Amino acid sequence: EADIYQTPRYLVIGTGKKITLECSQTMGHDKMYWYQQDPGMELHLIHYSYGVNSTEKGDLSSESTVSRIRTEHFPLTLESARPSHTSQYLCASSEGSSEAFFGQGTRLTVV
Amino acid sequence: GEDVEQSLFLSVREGDSSVINCTYTDSSSTYLYWYKQEPGAGLQLLTYIFSNMDMKQDQRLTVLLNKKDKHLSLRIADTQTGDSAIYFCAEYRRRALTFGSGTRLQVQP
Repeated sequence: EADIYQTPRYLVIGTGKKITLECSQTMGHDKMYWYQQDPGMELHLIHYSYGVNSTEKGDLSSESTVSRIRTEHFPLTLESARPSHTSQYLCASSEGSSEAFFGQGTRLTVV
Repeated sequence: GEDVEQSLFLSVREGDSSVINCTYTDSSSTYLYWYKQEPGAGLQLLTYIFSNMDMKQDQRLTVLLNKKDKHLSLRIADTQTGDSAIYFCAEYRRRALTFGSGTRLQVQP
């Protein structure tokens, strides 16, 4: 059982609001990732981190930002939510280049 | 996922075998993975294969790897209705896992 948690599981929010999606892992993994999953099922890497104070943008351009102040915590923030941000957001972590463990995901709906 | 390709949909009858196929492009991948996603959930690691192996079997799951053709397959024996889900193959490229587009497996009773 992977120890990686995302909150909230579901979020419905109005346009223009600021939101933060939380992701925490208790496995001590150095690498953490955020993927966005569209309704067509594909997963796109939007952010990743190799460790504390290290964050990089992924393959898919995103208006979100991330921070990695602590090893176990990798929150994602949207300063001003828009309907185009409606999607499922999946957080994952790994030890080096080994298999990644995923959280349950946050389904975000912006109305 | 543009460099990792999968067929989108597979329908089988309960008790039959399912074979899900994947092609990838990065021949330097050390490990290749299969993940399962049930409705409303995250991804669960099913199995993986090291690049110097041709086959790996784990209970009902058999993974076949053809490095020459960059082809990976997942066979599920005696498929059950609980196997209905989306299956993703993935390879670790440069900085993170790159996923295929996913294959939706539907198991008919």
